[in-house]
Amino acid sequence: GAVVSQHPSRVICKSGTSVKIECRSLDFQATTMFWYRQFPKQSLMLMATSNEGSKATYEQGVEKDKFLINHASLTLSTLTVTSAHPEDSSFYICSASYRPEGYGYTFGSGTRLTVV
Amino acid sequence: DAKTTQPTSMDCAEGRAANLPCNHSTISGNEYVYWYRQIHSQGPQYIIHGLKNNETNEMASLIITEDRKSSTLILPHATLRDTAVYYCIVVAGGTSYGKLTFGQGTILTVHP
Repeated sequence: GAVVSQHPSRVICKSGTSVKIECRSLDFQATTMFWYRQFPKQSLMLMATSNEGSKATYEQGVEKDKFLINHASLTLSTLTVTSAHPEDSSFYICSASYRPEGYGYTFGSGTRLTVV
Repeated sequence: DAKTTQPTSMDCAEGRAANLPCNHSTISGNEYVYWYRQIHSQGPQYIIHGLKNNETNEMASLIITEDRKSSTLILPHATLRDTAVYYCIVVAGGTSYGKLTFGQGTILTVHP
């Protein structure tokens, strides 16, 4: 149980275009989802916390107008990288928390974004 | 959330036990210790978690010291597929789920 599906796994886009990444909880309802970014040979860096039905909370230094997060349902959160540039190329990973207490941070398989 | 300290890298022979230490000396009473691992270019995989007591599942064992200031993840019979980056994370539990903040983790290399 507690599977998080993330799509696409890889995407290549042209500089200036926007890319949407989807994160779905398949067998549970995720009130809270998290979005991470990981550059080569570095650890995961939390970008934002997404709560269903409300605005996302962004970590310091993350541009909320560039990384649009929508969490419209209990099973889907999306991250849109707007006006992507080569420096946005990275590995993006979502995570969802679920009950019961003490359990539950399941991660998606990640999306490799390459901006050319 | 409490910070954690882990060795940068460790080696282990295949078939032997891998013992990965983690220091979390500033842990609070309601904070859990979680272990995740990440194999190259994949999302992190949950291994085990605990609050006070030692825990064991099909993947590993987690030993938490009595004062909760440190813990050890034990992979009893390491295989080549256990080569990964292992993250020890401390996060608040209860009704408000804390954020998982990843440190640099320990690169475990299992060799034949």
